[in-house]
Amino acid sequence: AQSVTQLGSHVSVSEGALVLLRCNYSSSVPPYLFWYVQYPNQGLQLLLKYTSAATLVKGINGFEAEFKKSETSFHLTKPSAHMSDAAEYFCAVSDREGAQKLVFGQGTRLTINP
Amino acid sequence: ETGVTQSPTHLIKTRGQQVTLRCSSQSGHNTVSWYQQALGQGPQFIFQYYREEENGRGNFPPRFSGLQFPNYSSELNVNALELDDSALYLCASIKTGRSYNEQFFGPGTRLTVL
Repeated sequence: AQSVTQLGSHVSVSEGALVLLRCNYSSSVPPYLFWYVQYPNQGLQLLLKYTSAATLVKGINGFEAEFKKSETSFHLTKPSAHMSDAAEYFCAVSDREGAQKLVFGQGTRLTINP
Repeated sequence: ETGVTQSPTHLIKTRGQQVTLRCSSQSGHNTVSWYQQALGQGPQFIFQYYREEENGRGNFPPRFSGLQFPNYSSELNVNALELDDSALYLCASIKTGRSYNEQFFGPGTRLTVL
């Protein structure tokens, strides 16, 4: 069975500082990996996805993530935080076959301090 | 393309009642998935419908059921509501690709069971 662990339910950084949100996954087969963002009272928006051989993935709003198979990790980073980045972030994993259902982590709430 | 829409936005029911939630897929998407997101948790996969047939189910009891219509819109039905069914219900309209199926999420329906 697949699973995702997000380390830190709450991360707080200063505006302009590096954002690092951690995600480790467990999967018996090569997975697809995703990061989603959720703003208050809204649905999920895809930030980026890993679905191919390119291990460094660039997404929207300046975010990127690196797939590290040896560490079973897919951490999300952004060089300089902006106030508008404050939201809940979810890491997710899916199979490459069948329904490709998403298995989500518990989420990390990102707070940006002025 | 129009986005994924869900109705109603909010709903309050009492324990034991039945509820129907609706989702309109994006044009051309023939697959839809439903997820339950309890407060402070990541979304959990309920089931998926492909061309009006169930195509994968998560760990939810049979009182959670669904339908998909010829226009690919979908319904989620929950019978005998329990307090723990209080959650945000998200549907995802899925664009089937050669390998990766991209999921587009709606804004969700917030269900409160009293």
